[in-house]
Amino acid sequence: SQQGEEDPQALSIQEGENATMNCSYKTSINNLQWYRQNSGRGLVHLILIRSNEREKHSGRLRVTLDTSKKSSSLLITASRAADTASYFCATNNAGNMLTFGGGTRLMVKP
Amino acid sequence: EAQVTQNPRYLITVTGKKLTVTCSQNMNHEYMSWYRQDPGLGLRQIYYSMNVEVTDKGDVPEGYKVSRKEKRNFPLILESPSPNQTSLYFCASSPTLSSSYNEQFFGPGTRLTVL
Repeated sequence: SQQGEEDPQALSIQEGENATMNCSYKTSINNLQWYRQNSGRGLVHLILIRSNEREKHSGRLRVTLDTSKKSSSLLITASRAADTASYFCATNNAGNMLTFGGGTRLMVKP
Repeated sequence: EAQVTQNPRYLITVTGKKLTVTCSQNMNHEYMSWYRQDPGLGLRQIYYSMNVEVTDKGDVPEGYKVSRKEKRNFPLILESPSPNQTSLYFCASSPTLSSSYNEQFFGPGTRLTVL
């Protein structure tokens, strides 16, 4: 069963613009993670935010977490063509599984 | 170089012919997992292993087997593949899932086609 649901499913922007992706989940979590996947390749971990954190930054990435709304957002600032990829949120509910959402396909046009 | 490797990367086979996809990690990770990725369905977990000789079912275990005889290896076995197992498969590992810092490291993927 999918725990996280990303929104939008697809996003197309111009280089230099900011990209925002949202993730909603259903049950309480231990942490939430964002991953990136270039076409047909393995996923790469971007950032992890714990349930007691509200915001986290890593380079051009900013992640927020609102546990009361069971939602998270990933903001990529000053996007580049190389940011074109699919982005997935994944939740760990303190069990032994990491549950992924369906992903957001981001296209950054040069 | 720290990595997760999978073999083969591409495989075309026929219904009913047993196959094994190997997965190996060189990071001494305790936790390993198999996922399948299908269009519109995201990644779904097939099996995972918390440590040697400890395996458990994920969301979609039917038609698959795994084993964890050594810490570094976690092969995925399809005893009698069927066309609905055509998919992109990923192996992943993590130091542990029992802490708040449990990012997973993914292999490059195995694209399997069952005719």
